[in-house]
Amino acid sequence: DAKTTQPPSMDCAEGRAANLPCNHSTISGNEYVYWYRQIHSQGPQYIIHGLKNNETNEMASLIITEDRKSSTLILPHATLRDTAVYYCIVRQTGANSKLTFGKGITLSVRP
Amino acid sequence: DAGVTQSPTHLIKTRGQHVTLRCSPISGHKSVSWYQQVLGQGPQFIFQYYEKEERGRGNFPDRFSARQFPNYSSELNVNALLLGDSALYLCASSLEWLTGFDEQYFGPGTRLTVT
Repeated sequence: DAKTTQPPSMDCAEGRAANLPCNHSTISGNEYVYWYRQIHSQGPQYIIHGLKNNETNEMASLIITEDRKSSTLILPHATLRDTAVYYCIVRQTGANSKLTFGKGITLSVRP
Repeated sequence: DAGVTQSPTHLIKTRGQHVTLRCSPISGHKSVSWYQQVLGQGPQFIFQYYEKEERGRGNFPDRFSARQFPNYSSELNVNALLLGDSALYLCASSLEWLTGFDEQYFGPGTRLTVT
């Protein structure tokens, strides 16, 4: 079972920041937070991951709370092409560390 | 460089038949994982193969099997197809054995419809 909770959907205006929340209250010390997204009819695409420090790459920023029980994925300037299902995943380290997907959050970017 | 490729892109089968889906990982990647995604749900882990050996298996019946070849490509086989096997089957590759530190790169998937 997925160890994360995400709202089912949200929307934002094009050009604005999209802040996607995720709760993972049972996360343990050796588990990372990963984000993937899936644009309609395509395979999931890796976005970013982190352990406890905030992370930023060319796609997004990941803010993890100090207690690590929740995180926020930030798309700084959302475009129409960012409309997708976004999955927040808590992933163990060690052997056989598979991705366990939940239902994700559907982000709709409006013009 | 090419990403993960899967074939065929679409497939229609009848209940009781057998199906083989194929995946070629990114060049240099040694690990392949298979996922099933039914409509409205997130992908569910089926298998992981690394260096031609099964390294992980999800909660799927024995009708599902897979193998990995010396060139690291992989096949997923499903026997005695059921209507509930209709789904998007995704293949993902990664450099090494899944450790939690690696990124998995997904292919476009094979859409299987069982009638």
